[in-house]
Amino acid sequence: SQQGEEDPQALSIQEGENATMNCSYKTSINNLQWYRQNSGRGLVHLILIRSNEREKHSGRLRVTLDTSKKSSSLLITASRAADTASYFCATDHTGANSKLTFGKGITLSVRP
Amino acid sequence: ETGVTQTPRHLVMGMTNKKSLKCEQHLGHNAMYWYKQSAKKPLELMFVYSLEERVENNSVPSRFSPECPNSSHLFLHLHTLQPEDSALYLCASSPHRGYNSPLHFGNGTRLTVT
Repeated sequence: SQQGEEDPQALSIQEGENATMNCSYKTSINNLQWYRQNSGRGLVHLILIRSNEREKHSGRLRVTLDTSKKSSSLLITASRAADTASYFCATDHTGANSKLTFGKGITLSVRP
Repeated sequence: ETGVTQTPRHLVMGMTNKKSLKCEQHLGHNAMYWYKQSAKKPLELMFVYSLEERVENNSVPSRFSPECPNSSHLFLHLHTLQPEDSALYLCASSPHRGYNSPLHFGNGTRLTVT
């Protein structure tokens, strides 16, 4: 399977702490994307990082990509209760049958 | 407001019913997608349309029938579904076919098959 695998499956932290979520994949990619999903809602795109990039920032979000290890991490700094959601990584793999492959997601709970 | 609107938000149907899910995007995108999200499973891509032409059909049973009358609207017609088809059905759009730009998702239709 090409799908990204997120780690951990669930994470519970206190408001103000940092949250780190990881994603690993198996075959080469064009890009890797992180999405957030609040309960009962659709997915919202957070950051897209291309295979030739190593780090990207967006507000309190920092994404790194290590293509040699086939892994990515999403760091949320100074977490807030509103960050409580499921987070998914999705990988666009190289090859003729390009498809965005999603992982099963990480459930993040931020305690006020 | 995501720019992608799905109706209805919730749907309960029996196995012999026929119903349709609707998706509308106001982003001027040329590609639209149907995904199925089941508990504890990754999102499954069902269909992809590019400029109203179906370009992908990922081994989806024929009881699911998509329709794309124009680049702003996408439907998923349902008939004789099974209980295992109960899931959240998500519509998404992107500027063009392919995944070098983000997908924009609607809030989904929660389908329950009884």
